[in-house]
Amino acid sequence: GAGVSQSPSNKVTEKGKDVELRCDPISGHTALYWYRQSLGQGLEFLIYFQGNSAPDKSGLPSDRFSAERTGGSVSTLTIQRTQQEDSAVYLCASGWRSNQPQHFGDGTRLSIL
Amino acid sequence: AQSVTQLDSHVSVSEGTPVLLRCNYSSSYSPSLFWYVQHPNKGLQLLLKYTSAATLVKGINGFEAEFKKSETSFHLTKPSAHMSDAAEYFCVVSDRNTGGFKTIFGAGTRLFVKA
Repeated sequence: GAGVSQSPSNKVTEKGKDVELRCDPISGHTALYWYRQSLGQGLEFLIYFQGNSAPDKSGLPSDRFSAERTGGSVSTLTIQRTQQEDSAVYLCASGWRSNQPQHFGDGTRLSIL
Repeated sequence: AQSVTQLDSHVSVSEGTPVLLRCNYSSSYSPSLFWYVQHPNKGLQLLLKYTSAATLVKGINGFEAEFKKSETSFHLTKPSAHMSDAAEYFCVVSDRNTGGFKTIFGAGTRLFVKA
């Protein structure tokens, strides 16, 4: 069956530009997560959506980062005025509830020049 | 509050020898525990999960893990390593928190398999 799909798979942009990263979760999954993984590092939690509840934004590193989830399905992570330290792989995952396994996409590799 | 510690950042084994990746956790309630594997340029894939049923959990690719409450451990093992097992492994704990559940990822253990 279809897994979690992320697009684009790679994104190269200039410092100061805005970028949008997209995540298509597994159909029916109510939980959706965004993580950031820097080179050779573990996962850094960014934001968590659960159904219609207010998202847990506690991991967003600055107000340049935002995310939305439209209609309880597709999610977009937006980074405004990108900085070089934003370069990383951004992973999306979906699941049923937060204590259940997460299903990951292959990530978007973001490079800021 | 919960936390998870992967005791080794790197583990190197020879092909055909046993694998042991260590994970300790702390939890206030009854946690769910997971191991994920990440191959290069890929997302994480679930290997196995513990959710308060049998304490010895069998996963994919011959991996298994044993939940030991008295030792607060959830070590991942495999009897015989294969070259394809070379990857990054993450131990994860999910437990009740204010308003729901909170999931914490360990820092990861990179497994090297020598021919």
